[in-house]
Amino acid sequence: DAGITQSPRHKVTETGTPVTLRCHQTENHRYMYWYRQDPGHGLRLIHYSYGVKDTDKGEVSDGYSVSRSKTEDFLLTLESATSSQTSVYFCAIREDGGNYGYTFGSGTRLTVV
Amino acid sequence: SQQGEEDPQALSIQEGENATMNCSYKTSINNLQWYRQNSGRGLVHLILIRSNEREKHSGRLRVTLDTSKKSSSLLITASRAADTASYFCATDAGNNDMRFGAGTRLTVKP
Repeated sequence: DAGITQSPRHKVTETGTPVTLRCHQTENHRYMYWYRQDPGHGLRLIHYSYGVKDTDKGEVSDGYSVSRSKTEDFLLTLESATSSQTSVYFCAIREDGGNYGYTFGSGTRLTVV
Repeated sequence: SQQGEEDPQALSIQEGENATMNCSYKTSINNLQWYRQNSGRGLVHLILIRSNEREKHSGRLRVTLDTSKKSSSLLITASRAADTASYFCATDAGNNDMRFGAGTRLTVKP
């Protein structure tokens, strides 16, 4: 999607290994979000950021950490991947202020074996 | 936990027909949004309706919001095969924790 890219698009990793997913934006938006999408659950918020070095937990943050050292990059790290973290991960960005929609990346399909 | 609950879970119609999807939610909101997701892709923002609005139009889309019933509906008129996708409602309570429903899978047959 225009202005936001996720990498990698697909990844297979082994249980117990650390994994980092990257979200990069060119829109200079203040807010960035990481969601996971699982069948029957819709999207659930993992972590979000409201500025450089400013992050907060979402609904399903256990086992995940994030970092934002630059406005354009928001990293999601699985400290020690488990099979329950097999999912599709989406990054989203939003303009500052209320009543704006989110722009989503194309997603990262992560499989933990 | 999900905030929005879409109904029906799946909907199959013929091209040219209208498609209506409903969303119910539980808590107070600042706005409600609808998104579309094509298979294997990210979500695309369709329309946002604020809590003080009752109806909004965008092209072939019409969204209604009833805050007293905590419900919303999305109407797609004159549907096309290209409208085949999953549609999600999302509620924004202004706390950076926008909640998504599990979606309605719409199939439009040519």
